[in-house]
Amino acid sequence: EADIYQTPRYLVIGTGKKITLECSQTMGHDKMYWYQQDPGMELHLIHYSYGVNSTEKGDLSSESTVSRIRTEHFPLTLESARPSHTSQYLCASSEVSASGRITSTDTQYFGPGTRLTVL
Amino acid sequence: KNQVEQSPQSLIILEGKNCTLQCNYTVSPFSNLRWYKQDTGRGPVSLTIMTFSENTKSNGRYTATLDADTKQSSLHITASQLSDSASYICVVSDRGSTLGRLYFGRGTQLTVWP
Repeated sequence: EADIYQTPRYLVIGTGKKITLECSQTMGHDKMYWYQQDPGMELHLIHYSYGVNSTEKGDLSSESTVSRIRTEHFPLTLESARPSHTSQYLCASSEVSASGRITSTDTQYFGPGTRLTVL
Repeated sequence: KNQVEQSPQSLIILEGKNCTLQCNYTVSPFSNLRWYKQDTGRGPVSLTIMTFSENTKSNGRYTATLDADTKQSSLHITASQLSDSASYICVVSDRGSTLGRLYFGRGTQLTVWP
Protein backbone atom coordinates (compact mmCIF):
# COMPACT_ATOMS: atom_id res chain seq x y z
CA GLU A 1 0.00 0.00 0.00
CA ALA A 2 1.27 3.46 -0.89
CA ASP A 3 2.56 5.77 1.85
CA ILE A 4 0.47 8.78 0.96
CA TYR A 5 -1.86 10.36 3.47
CA GLN A 6 -4.68 12.86 3.35
CA THR A 7 -6.38 14.71 6.17
CA PRO A 8 -9.10 15.20 6.99
CA ARG A 9 -10.89 12.22 5.47
CA TYR A 10 -14.25 13.94 5.79
CA LEU A 11 -15.03 17.65 6.20
CA VAL A 12 -18.38 19.42 6.47
CA ILE A 13 -18.07 23.18 6.51
CA GLY A 14 -20.14 26.30 6.01
CA THR A 15 -20.02 28.62 3.02
CA GLY A 16 -17.30 31.27 3.11
CA LYS A 17 -14.89 29.38 5.34
CA LYS A 18 -11.23 28.97 4.46
CA ILE A 19 -10.07 25.36 4.36
CA THR A 20 -6.83 23.52 3.75
CA LEU A 21 -6.72 19.90 2.67
CA GLU A 22 -3.50 18.20 3.67
CA CYS A 23 -1.53 15.68 1.61
CA SER A 24 1.73 14.06 2.62
CA GLN A 25 3.81 11.26 1.13
CA THR A 26 6.83 9.49 2.59
CA MET A 27 8.08 7.93 -0.66
CA GLY A 28 10.27 10.87 -1.66
CA HIS A 29 8.32 11.34 -4.89
CA ASP A 30 8.97 14.54 -6.80
CA LYS A 31 5.67 14.70 -8.66
CA MET A 32 2.41 15.29 -6.84
CA TYR A 33 -1.14 15.85 -8.04
CA TRP A 34 -4.59 16.92 -6.87
CA TYR A 35 -7.69 15.46 -8.51
CA GLN A 36 -11.35 16.25 -8.03
CA GLN A 37 -13.90 13.44 -8.39
CA ASP A 38 -17.68 13.64 -8.22
CA PRO A 39 -19.71 10.43 -7.62
CA GLY A 40 -19.84 8.23 -10.72
CA MET A 41 -17.66 10.62 -12.66
CA GLU A 42 -14.08 10.58 -13.86
CA LEU A 43 -11.15 12.11 -12.01
CA HIS A 44 -10.19 15.61 -13.10
CA LEU A 45 -6.69 16.97 -12.57
CA ILE A 46 -6.83 20.37 -10.86
CA HIS A 47 -3.19 20.92 -9.77
CA TYR A 48 0.19 19.27 -10.10
CA SER A 49 3.76 19.84 -9.04
CA TYR A 50 7.09 18.67 -10.47
CA GLY A 51 8.94 19.37 -7.23
CA VAL A 52 9.61 21.94 -4.54
CA ASN A 53 8.47 25.45 -5.50
CA SER A 54 6.85 24.11 -8.67
CA THR A 55 3.07 24.21 -9.07
CA GLU A 56 0.87 24.15 -12.17
CA LYS A 57 -2.84 24.26 -12.85
CA GLY A 58 -4.41 21.12 -14.24
CA ASP A 59 -7.07 20.49 -16.83
CA LEU A 60 -10.06 21.46 -14.72
CA SER A 61 -10.33 25.06 -13.63
CA SER A 62 -10.37 25.30 -9.87
CA GLU A 63 -10.62 28.17 -7.41
CA SER A 64 -8.27 26.32 -5.09
CA THR A 65 -4.56 27.03 -4.70
CA VAL A 66 -1.65 24.77 -3.80
CA SER A 67 1.88 25.14 -2.47
CA ARG A 68 4.93 22.90 -2.48
CA ILE A 69 7.44 24.10 0.10
CA ARG A 70 8.61 20.59 1.03
CA THR A 71 8.91 17.51 -1.18
CA GLU A 72 6.62 15.45 1.01
CA HIS A 73 3.86 18.00 1.51
CA PHE A 74 1.33 19.35 -1.05
CA PRO A 75 -1.58 21.14 0.64
CA LEU A 76 -4.62 22.47 -1.20
CA THR A 77 -6.40 25.61 0.02
CA LEU A 78 -9.81 27.07 -0.66
CA GLU A 79 -9.98 30.69 0.51
CA SER A 80 -13.78 30.83 0.58
CA ALA A 81 -15.62 27.53 0.32
CA ARG A 82 -18.88 27.35 -1.66
CA PRO A 83 -21.43 24.54 -2.13
CA SER A 84 -20.09 24.07 -5.68
CA HIS A 85 -16.81 22.92 -4.11
CA THR A 86 -18.53 19.88 -2.62
CA SER A 87 -16.66 16.89 -4.01
CA GLN A 88 -14.04 14.25 -3.30
CA TYR A 89 -10.45 15.47 -3.52
CA LEU A 90 -7.72 12.91 -4.22
CA CYS A 91 -4.01 13.51 -3.85
CA ALA A 92 -1.45 11.41 -5.73
CA SER A 93 2.29 11.21 -6.23
CA SER A 94 4.66 9.56 -8.67
CA GLU A 95 8.40 9.09 -8.99
CA VAL A 96 10.55 10.75 -11.62
CA SER A 97 12.66 8.16 -13.42
CA ALA A 98 16.37 7.81 -12.65
CA SER A 99 17.25 9.57 -15.88
CA GLY A 100 15.42 12.60 -14.58
CA ARG A 101 13.03 12.46 -17.52
CA ILE A 102 9.40 12.37 -16.65
CA THR A 103 7.78 9.48 -18.47
CA SER A 104 4.14 8.72 -18.99
CA THR A 105 4.60 5.23 -17.55
CA ASP A 106 5.05 6.67 -14.06
CA THR A 107 2.53 5.00 -11.80
CA GLN A 108 0.57 7.37 -9.62
CA TYR A 109 -0.06 6.37 -6.04
CA PHE A 110 -3.24 7.80 -4.58
CA GLY A 111 -4.17 8.84 -1.09
CA PRO A 112 -7.50 7.83 0.46
CA GLY A 113 -9.17 11.12 -0.46
CA THR A 114 -10.97 13.89 1.39
CA ARG A 115 -14.74 14.05 1.08
CA LEU A 116 -15.65 17.76 1.29
CA THR A 117 -19.19 18.99 1.84
CA VAL A 118 -19.89 22.71 1.84
CA LEU A 119 -23.26 23.72 3.24
CA LYS B 1 -11.49 14.96 -28.52
CA ASN B 2 -9.60 12.42 -26.44
CA GLN B 3 -12.00 10.25 -24.51
CA VAL B 4 -12.15 7.05 -22.52
CA GLU B 5 -15.47 5.21 -22.44
CA GLN B 6 -16.14 2.28 -20.13
CA SER B 7 -18.90 -0.30 -20.16
CA PRO B 8 -20.96 -1.46 -18.48
CA GLN B 9 -21.53 1.43 -16.08
CA SER B 10 -22.39 -1.08 -13.35
CA LEU B 11 -22.35 -4.83 -13.01
CA ILE B 12 -23.60 -7.31 -10.41
CA ILE B 13 -22.24 -10.85 -10.34
CA LEU B 14 -22.30 -13.76 -7.92
CA GLU B 15 -19.22 -14.73 -5.99
CA GLY B 16 -17.04 -17.19 -7.88
CA LYS B 17 -18.20 -16.08 -11.32
CA ASN B 18 -16.00 -14.45 -13.96
CA CYS B 19 -16.65 -11.09 -15.58
CA THR B 20 -15.17 -8.82 -18.24
CA LEU B 21 -15.11 -5.03 -18.19
CA GLN B 22 -14.63 -3.00 -21.37
CA CYS B 23 -12.74 0.19 -22.17
CA ASN B 24 -12.74 2.03 -25.51
CA TYR B 25 -10.56 5.06 -26.06
CA THR B 26 -9.85 7.68 -28.68
CA VAL B 27 -6.69 9.08 -27.08
CA SER B 28 -3.98 9.81 -29.62
CA PRO B 29 -1.05 9.54 -29.66
CA PHE B 30 -1.22 6.57 -27.34
CA SER B 31 1.40 5.78 -24.71
CA ASN B 32 -0.05 3.33 -22.23
CA LEU B 33 -3.26 2.11 -20.62
CA ARG B 34 -3.80 1.38 -16.95
CA TRP B 35 -6.55 -0.28 -15.00
CA TYR B 36 -7.14 0.98 -11.48
CA LYS B 37 -9.32 -0.44 -8.72
CA GLN B 38 -11.02 2.08 -6.45
CA ASP B 39 -12.72 0.85 -3.31
CA THR B 40 -15.54 3.00 -1.96
CA GLY B 41 -14.14 5.98 -0.10
CA ARG B 42 -10.55 5.16 -1.06
CA GLY B 43 -8.07 6.29 -3.67
CA PRO B 44 -7.47 4.25 -6.86
CA VAL B 45 -4.87 1.50 -6.79
CA SER B 46 -3.03 0.44 -9.95
CA LEU B 47 -3.77 -3.10 -11.18
CA THR B 48 -2.04 -3.28 -14.56
CA ILE B 49 -0.26 -1.09 -17.07
CA MET B 50 0.21 -1.90 -20.76
CA THR B 51 2.21 -0.08 -23.37
CA PHE B 52 1.60 -0.10 -27.13
CA SER B 53 3.54 -3.31 -27.69
CA GLU B 54 1.82 -5.34 -24.99
CA ASN B 55 -1.51 -7.03 -25.59
CA THR B 56 -2.03 -8.81 -22.29
CA LYS B 57 -0.98 -8.35 -18.68
CA SER B 58 -1.99 -10.35 -15.62
CA ASN B 59 -2.05 -9.52 -11.94
CA GLY B 60 -3.37 -12.49 -9.98
CA ARG B 61 -7.01 -13.01 -10.90
CA TYR B 62 -7.01 -9.86 -13.03
CA THR B 63 -6.07 -10.09 -16.70
CA ALA B 64 -6.05 -7.03 -18.93
CA THR B 65 -5.94 -7.11 -22.72
CA LEU B 66 -5.16 -4.36 -25.17
CA ASP B 67 -5.91 -4.05 -28.87
CA ALA B 68 -4.13 -0.87 -29.94
CA ASP B 69 -5.49 -1.15 -33.47
CA THR B 70 -9.13 -1.03 -32.43
CA LYS B 71 -8.32 1.07 -29.34
CA GLN B 72 -10.02 -1.32 -26.99
CA SER B 73 -9.06 -2.87 -23.68
CA SER B 74 -10.73 -5.33 -21.38
CA LEU B 75 -10.25 -6.36 -17.78
CA HIS B 76 -11.17 -9.95 -17.00
CA ILE B 77 -11.72 -10.97 -13.41
CA THR B 78 -11.60 -14.69 -12.67
CA ALA B 79 -13.33 -16.44 -9.77
CA SER B 80 -14.66 -13.21 -8.30
CA GLN B 81 -14.53 -12.55 -4.56
CA LEU B 82 -16.56 -10.25 -2.35
CA SER B 83 -13.49 -8.02 -2.04
CA ASP B 84 -13.57 -7.41 -5.79
CA SER B 85 -16.57 -5.13 -5.25
CA ALA B 86 -15.23 -1.74 -6.31
CA SER B 87 -15.08 0.72 -9.18
CA TYR B 88 -12.65 -0.24 -11.95
CA ILE B 89 -11.21 2.71 -13.82
CA CYS B 90 -9.53 2.66 -17.21
CA VAL B 91 -6.86 5.35 -17.63
CA VAL B 92 -5.11 6.13 -20.92
CA SER B 93 -1.96 8.20 -21.22
CA ASP B 94 -0.79 10.05 -24.29
CA ARG B 95 2.82 10.72 -25.15
CA GLY B 96 2.11 14.22 -26.31
CA SER B 97 3.66 15.92 -23.32
CA THR B 98 6.26 15.33 -20.64
CA LEU B 99 3.46 15.26 -18.13
CA GLY B 100 2.16 12.12 -19.77
CA ARG B 101 -1.38 13.43 -19.63
CA LEU B 102 -3.87 10.97 -18.23
CA TYR B 103 -7.43 10.50 -19.50
CA PHE B 104 -9.75 8.83 -17.01
CA GLY B 105 -12.86 6.79 -17.70
CA ARG B 106 -15.84 7.06 -15.37
CA GLY B 107 -15.35 3.54 -14.15
CA THR B 108 -17.42 0.36 -13.96
CA GLN B 109 -19.02 -0.23 -10.57
CA LEU B 110 -18.73 -3.95 -9.84
CA THR B 111 -20.73 -5.55 -7.07
CA VAL B 112 -20.07 -9.15 -6.08
CA TRP B 113 -22.87 -10.86 -4.16
CA PRO B 114 -22.39 -13.92 -1.96
